[in-house]
Amino acid sequence: DAGITQSPRHKVTETGTPVTLRCHQTENHRYMYWYRQDPGHGLRLIHYSYGVKDTDKGEVSDGYSVSRSKTEDFLLTLESATSSQTSVYFCAISEGTTVRDTEAFFGQGTRLTVV
Amino acid sequence: AQKITQTQPGMFVQEKEAVTLDCTYDTSDQSYGLFWYKQPSSGEMIFLIYQGSYDEQNATEGRYSLNFQKARKSANLVISASQLGDSAMYFCAMNERGSTLGRLYFGRGTQLTVWP
Repeated sequence: DAGITQSPRHKVTETGTPVTLRCHQTENHRYMYWYRQDPGHGLRLIHYSYGVKDTDKGEVSDGYSVSRSKTEDFLLTLESATSSQTSVYFCAISEGTTVRDTEAFFGQGTRLTVV
Repeated sequence: AQKITQTQPGMFVQEKEAVTLDCTYDTSDQSYGLFWYKQPSSGEMIFLIYQGSYDEQNATEGRYSLNFQKARKSANLVISASQLGDSAMYFCAMNERGSTLGRLYFGRGTQLTVWP
């Protein structure tokens, strides 16, 4: 199994509070991604990173920011949590950008509830 | 427009029978990859099978095979000899060579239930 750890695994937070989710990898993969999973939508990309301090937005990035200060860690921050951000969040990693190398290995997911 | 379409929200199959989960995709890129992932009720995402756009043979991995029809832009997953443990959500996904940094586009998923 790919070494990806997400923390926390479950979190309940109040509307308006900041929340940070952490993704830690031991595979030394260059590329890291944050997806959210919602019923009827599959997985949608929030942000991704292609190296230390190199990040960019995905399709549902509003209300989220990310940081990557080390190869192994990719943080997702909800600046001011809203109920619409209640979701399951997945971190993924991949080796490269050839179509075959982009097989993504996923973390266990973080279930976030905003009340 | 959806890049990946999975038209079957739910499928039912009896144990030991084969089942096909449909997936169609939309891309203008000549180089792309198609993936299937399984998500059991425990929530983790498990990679099942990969098909490259230039691969001439259909991909197979044990009981999983991918029925790749390039002209129709379909990449259906076939599970042979279904087992109770195959009950899960299945996602089709794609990346494109021209897409920024290999991000994956996912379909909405098909919930497969295997009954005894």
